[in-house]
Amino acid sequence: KAGVTQTPRYLIKTRGQQVTLSCSPISGHRSVSWYQQTPGQGLQFLFEYFSETQRNKGNFPGRFSGRQFSNSRSEMNVSTLELGDSALYLCASSLGGQGAETQYFGPGTRLLVL
Amino acid sequence: AQSVAQPEDQVNVAEGNPLTVKCTYSVSGNPYLFWYVQYPNRGLQFLLKYITGDNLVKGSYGFEAEFNKSQTSFHLKKPSALVSDSALYFCAVRATYQTGANNLFFGTGTRLTVIP
Repeated sequence: KAGVTQTPRYLIKTRGQQVTLSCSPISGHRSVSWYQQTPGQGLQFLFEYFSETQRNKGNFPGRFSGRQFSNSRSEMNVSTLELGDSALYLCASSLGGQGAETQYFGPGTRLLVL
Repeated sequence: AQSVAQPEDQVNVAEGNPLTVKCTYSVSGNPYLFWYVQYPNRGLQFLLKYITGDNLVKGSYGFEAEFNKSQTSFHLKKPSALVSDSALYFCAVRATYQTGANNLFFGTGTRLTVIP
């Protein structure tokens, strides 16, 4: 089975621009979660999607948004980029997102905001 | 509130020696506990998890972890370290009551260096 894939792997943007990142989960997985990883804040939960609905949201400003498609692929969008948005963005998929299910992570998209 | 603490930013161990990476957690009720490893420029790879039952959990690549409820700890261990084990290790927790929400709370990570 193919793992979680994320595109693009690297991005360079300037302040004020917007960016869209894509995540394709493992086949059969319906839950997709997004995390931001920075040296200062570590790994922080952004949001989770299940069956095309946002089921849970972390403590990030409204500039961060996402969506999920009927094939479970997910995108996240960051508008009006700030320097502090530079980070590794990881997505993780799991079957249904309940209980002790394991989340499997993609390789991440590294975003640099100049 | 849920939280995870990894008290050591860096752990150095000689190749062939046993290794321990420490993790303590705080959660209301019972926890689900996870260990992940991250290699440079890679995502997180799942190592093992504790759900319930036996306090000693065995995982991938010879790693194991011991759940200690009284000490609220979930330390990662390996009997004999390899140079290839050098990486960043993350402990994570989710509360068992947390239905309908799939987010994990991660520790700050411990960088393990295995010295040849």
